[in-house]
Amino acid sequence: QKEVEQNSGPLSVPEGAIASLNCTYSDRVSQSFFWYRQYSGKSPELIMSIYSNGDKEDGRFTAQLNKASQYVSLLIRDSQPSDSATYLCAVGPGKETSGSRLTFGEGTQLTVNP
Amino acid sequence: KAGVTQTPRYLIKTRGQQVTLSCSPISGHRSVSWYQQTPGQGLQFLFEYFSETQRNKGNFPGRFSGRQFSNSRSEMNVSTLELGDSALYLCASSFSAGGSYEQYFGPGTRLTVT
Repeated sequence: QKEVEQNSGPLSVPEGAIASLNCTYSDRVSQSFFWYRQYSGKSPELIMSIYSNGDKEDGRFTAQLNKASQYVSLLIRDSQPSDSATYLCAVGPGKETSGSRLTFGEGTQLTVNP
Repeated sequence: KAGVTQTPRYLIKTRGQQVTLSCSPISGHRSVSWYQQTPGQGLQFLFEYFSETQRNKGNFPGRFSGRQFSNSRSEMNVSTLELGDSALYLCASSFSAGGSYEQYFGPGTRLTVT
């Protein structure tokens, strides 16, 4: 079982639709969760972080965390062609682990069609 | 505030050679992590430095090493290069060590080993 798994892509949505990206993780003590966006040929860009169960909204982005189910998701409302990129789910260590090591999923490629 | 900078941006080396990559974190950030990104393995953690000390190390051979200076700048070194070391090497900085601190990536160094 992979430590961090993302829903297999590629994912294609029409412009203006909601894009839903999902991620599950295996380490129950994980405490921090991040979503990065990576455009082709570029480095990952942090778009959302979430640490507590529930929803966190930032503009068109909403991150959802359910620690009991070991599940984190990212919703992108009113998707735009500029949102077309690979989205990476990253999980940080549990409290007992020192350091900032992030474990990444393989990424989900999103295409927003005009 | 300036972002994370990495030099050089592109590098071509021959098998058996060694290479040194440099990373300057965001001003005020004291933790620097290094990651390797390849199409087959995705983003994998190499190591993390905080206050000139290695806090965490990923599952990479001893040919991969790093260090951090008193101004938080970091370097990583790869000795006896192999073809499989061809990858995008990413540096990420965060304010402090620990899973709850957000990490911001630099543009990366694209290493090609021939």
